[in-house]
Amino acid sequence: ETGVTQTPRHLVMGMTNKKSLKCEQHLGHNAMYWYKQSAKKPLELMFVYSLEERVENNSVPSRFSPECPNSSHLFLHLHTLQPEDSALYLCASSQDSPGAQYFGPGTRLLVL
Amino acid sequence: QKEVEQDPGPLSVPEGAIVSLNCTYSNSAFQYFMWYRQYSRKGPELLMYTYSSGNKEDGRFTAQVDKSSKYISLFIRDSQPSDSATYLCAMSTTGGFKTIFGAGTRLFVKA
Repeated sequence: ETGVTQTPRHLVMGMTNKKSLKCEQHLGHNAMYWYKQSAKKPLELMFVYSLEERVENNSVPSRFSPECPNSSHLFLHLHTLQPEDSALYLCASSQDSPGAQYFGPGTRLLVL
Repeated sequence: QKEVEQDPGPLSVPEGAIVSLNCTYSNSAFQYFMWYRQYSRKGPELLMYTYSSGNKEDGRFTAQVDKSSKYISLFIRDSQPSDSATYLCAMSTTGGFKTIFGAGTRLFVKA
């Protein structure tokens, strides 16, 4: 595996479900990011982890819960989501700040 | 006023044309400027990464930064149908992790 990988690529969930998104980076970077991308809107930064510590939390609702167990892995735990949370969720990594970020392919999430 | 403004397009050009994509910004503290290309159903791919003002060239792509005008550009020479994608500008300040993205310009290159 190379670059940044994300699983699953597609996810459909009901509002009462709990699911997790997984991201893994194979670039040796020390910072990881979660972004939300909705149609016709700029990428919205959700969370940033640097050296496994959360350094940015962009006023994200508590139904999104990030976890960074080590510098290569990042999770986004989802529970009781709303239909407006349907979007493409992108993971990225960078070396230091404000390094150029390398993105994964994203998870396309649909909340019914 | 948005921190970063980018015309969403779509921009349609014939194959071989020179394409000019632009963004304006309001925060004079931005020092790092990036351009990403995003194909449909894919994640953004880093194209150009520049620091402060000036030009940077990489193959058919040239990035320009004019900090005095708070204006950045990406030029694509000899455009190809494979260049059809959404192009995102992005910028950040020194010492922070927050990168601000434009909404993206949709480009179509017709064969």
